[in-house]
Amino acid sequence: DAGVIQSPRHEVTEMGQEVTLRCKPISGHDYLFWYRQTMMRGLELLIYFNNNVPIDDSGMPEDRFSAKMPNASFSTLKIQPSEPRDSAVYFCASSFWTGGLYNEQFFGPGTRLTVL
Amino acid sequence: GENVEQHPSTLSVQEGDSAVIKCTYSDSASNYFPWYKQELGKRPQLIIDIRSNVGEKKDQRIAVTLNKTAKHFSLHITETQPEDSAVYFCAASWDTDKLIFGTGTRLQVFP
Repeated sequence: DAGVIQSPRHEVTEMGQEVTLRCKPISGHDYLFWYRQTMMRGLELLIYFNNNVPIDDSGMPEDRFSAKMPNASFSTLKIQPSEPRDSAVYFCASSFWTGGLYNEQFFGPGTRLTVL
Repeated sequence: GENVEQHPSTLSVQEGDSAVIKCTYSDSASNYFPWYKQELGKRPQLIIDIRSNVGEKKDQRIAVTLNKTAKHFSLHITETQPEDSAVYFCAASWDTDKLIFGTGTRLQVFP
């Protein structure tokens, strides 16, 4: 398996533009997580899905952020309109449950977003 | 609410010495405690984890200990090497599907 795939790897945009980040989880994984990493705030969980259904979006900072998972192999995180304070590395991660036990989250390579 | 505190924020050691990173958690219902290593410009990767029914776990030079009474767990790296230099994150799960991460420890190993 290629692991978790994210695109683009780097994104530079101007304030006010729409940004869409993409993620393909590991095949067979039923959980997908979106994180944001900054020096100031560390690694923050934004939202996560189980079997394509959003379970907890309490970490989404504002209404400008939205996430979807239309099928088991694809998810998007959208920021509209983008602001300079959204500049960060955005990670997608996936995992699966077996027998009620928590399992490792596998992270993608991340998308480095810069909003000018 | 759910919270994980991690100390120290930075740690410098000489090659061959040991390094210890400590984390405390707020909810006694926590039952899963992984440690992730993130090298510069790379993704976080799991290096070791422990579940609440175990007090200690070792994997070569790395060990994790868990004290459920005190609600803290620690990462121990022995015989440190320059390639151990990275940011280390602890995390905890509260019987839910999500992890709460600590703020990270930047470990520098000097040759």
